[in-house]
Amino acid sequence: AQTVTQSQPEMSVQEAETVTLSCTYDTSESNYYLFWYKQPPSRQMILVIRQEAYKQQNATENRFSVNFQKAAKSFSLKISDSQLGDTAMYFCAFSSRGGSEKLVFGKGTKLTVNP
Amino acid sequence: NAGVTQTPKFRILKIGQSMTLQCTQDMNHNYMYWYRQDPGMGLKLIYYSVGAGITDKGEVPNGYNVSRSTTEDFPLRLELAAPSQTSVYFCASSYLWGAGQYFGPGTRLTVL
Repeated sequence: AQTVTQSQPEMSVQEAETVTLSCTYDTSESNYYLFWYKQPPSRQMILVIRQEAYKQQNATENRFSVNFQKAAKSFSLKISDSQLGDTAMYFCAFSSRGGSEKLVFGKGTKLTVNP
Repeated sequence: NAGVTQTPKFRILKIGQSMTLQCTQDMNHNYMYWYRQDPGMGLKLIYYSVGAGITDKGEVPNGYNVSRSTTEDFPLRLELAAPSQTSVYFCASSYLWGAGQYFGPGTRLTVL
């Protein structure tokens, strides 16, 4: 069974600075997707970024980028120029190919951006 | 598009009562999911569906039932509510593997 581990329960960063959230996963499969979801205090789950395992190039979405290390089974999220609105829980998730796109989530990292 | 909608937003149940959490999506997605989120934890999959008439168990299905008679609707039924079912419930949908899932706003359920 796949597992996703987020080793940082809480992190904080100053506004405008850069922060990196860590995620590791365990799988024996070769084809899969990885995701980062954001959950602000409103509790709405919002997709931030996704990465296909077969793509070597790291995904980027505006201020959000990932460092995907397939051999190390590591998938970290970098947030540049942090903004107050980035304060949220961040969840790393894994989806293996199997026709149903079931997601396996980590326990999350609570990020606080300080003014 | 309204996306994924869930009702109710909040509910308090007494032990042994039953209820149905409603989920509707207007994006014509084939795949739909129910998750629960306990305090300090990530989401865990309860049930999922790959299309109308097809459902399957996820990681934590005990105490729940689902049905999928239409593409749009995927209700979750709680029978004989127990305090262990106190949680926030999320419905989600997707159209393609790897595209990511769209989530509803969640239902906070308390069983006393």
